[in-house]
Amino acid sequence: GQQLNQSPQSMFIQEGEDVSMNCTSSSIFNTWLWYKQEPGEGPVLLIALYKAGELTSNGRLTAQFGITRKDSFLNISASIPSDVGIYFCAGLEGGSNYKLTFGKGTLLTVNP
Amino acid sequence: NAGVMQNPRHLVRRRGQEARLRCSPMKGHSHVYWYRQLPEEGLKFMVYLQKENIIDESGMPKERFSAEFPKEGPSILRIQQVVRGDSAAYFCASSPQGTTNEKLFFGSGTQLSVL
Repeated sequence: GQQLNQSPQSMFIQEGEDVSMNCTSSSIFNTWLWYKQEPGEGPVLLIALYKAGELTSNGRLTAQFGITRKDSFLNISASIPSDVGIYFCAGLEGGSNYKLTFGKGTLLTVNP
Repeated sequence: NAGVMQNPRHLVRRRGQEARLRCSPMKGHSHVYWYRQLPEEGLKFMVYLQKENIIDESGMPKERFSAEFPKEGPSILRIQQVVRGDSAAYFCASSPQGTTNEKLFFGSGTQLSVL
């Protein structure tokens, strides 16, 4: 199956700092999604991207769909303690409108 | 509206026993997806079901695993003769139609531990 490489694996930052994480793939994805997962819970959708080059914001979060359709990044500005969690990128495989491929996640820790 | 409901939240089984995981989709949703998450890994697609139909089971292991979504009642993921490698978090998601977008919602998962 297709693979997504997500980096970094983990980040430990101070409250107020900005955060950036990204995903790359050797294959083209038609849709990129970013999820947040908190301990003991399922992933919650943060941002969905549908077009190459698209830049979308959701509050302090901003994500972009790479022009090549093989990468995406997520930025979090002015981090706060409740941003703690695991952030996953996910791509919708070409030819499918429902089968998601997930990255391995970025564990974010925010020090108050 | 109630979200996607999964139960049990935690399930402990001994090797060789059967595990049955249940998922009730959100109200108005008729499409269900099961994903498995191994420790420190991303979620991996297992199966996609509509009422009384399996649409895509390409992510399901060939043996011991089965899934159903009957006309009435929750979707069931069944694992027969569990082995330690089956220990994982199993997540169910639902959508009102077979497209993955803002209308796909995940449940809180069932953590299966095989002793």
